Amino acid sequence: GAVVSQHPSRVICKSGTSVKIECRSLDFQATTMFWYRQFPKQSLMLMATSNEGSKATYEQGVEKDKFLINHASLTLSTLTVTSAHPEDSSFYICSALGYEQFFGPGTRLTVL
Amino acid sequence: DAKTTQPNSMESNEEEPVHLPCNHSTISGTDYIHWYRQLPSQGPEYVIHGLTSNVNNRMASLAIAEDRKSSTLILHRATLRDAAVYYCILRAPLLHNQGGKLIFGQGTELSVKP
Repeated sequence: GAVVSQHPSRVICKSGTSVKIECRSLDFQATTMFWYRQFPKQSLMLMATSNEGSKATYEQGVEKDKFLINHASLTLSTLTVTSAHPEDSSFYICSALGYEQFFGPGTRLTVL
Repeated sequence: DAKTTQPNSMESNEEEPVHLPCNHSTISGTDYIHWYRQLPSQGPEYVIHGLTSNVNNRMASLAIAEDRKSSTLILHRATLRDAAVYYCILRAPLLHNQGGKLIFGQGTELSVKP
């Protein structure tokens, strides 16, 4: 299957800071990427759909001003968690849509 | 979004076949049936998908009921590395305005005993 990477794999930050997570499709171009969040012992929750060259589409209940998504190229989408708080601590997973949806390995965010 | 129903957990013995069921009674005529699995602390991994006919690949087989209201993922010989949460998801065609989106349910946690 196709390869999707995420960076960083884990990050610890102080409350109030912003954190950027990168998602790259390594061997194919992806017009569409998706961002998910997963809390312990729970399923993945879709946060937003990211389309190259246009604004992201956020799922209901997801604050677009808090979770900034940029999809500037066909191989890179970024998620910035602004003014992070402890309740934002979670496992963030991206995926890229090729002939199937291929997932990154996830980023573990811990906000102190 | 069309929903799926899966058992919360299943157990299997190593080297034996595993049949993971999924009910999707509200499936629309154009929805594809997708299966993904997720190992602990990793992103989900694509397993298989189908529309109407049964499908086989190197990882698994997918048996789809004639009325498409249920399906079964078949792992022919379970290994310890198959222990994961398996998600059955309905996906609209890519050209649909919701196409490509995957809405995850709770999935089935499969444990494999040596």
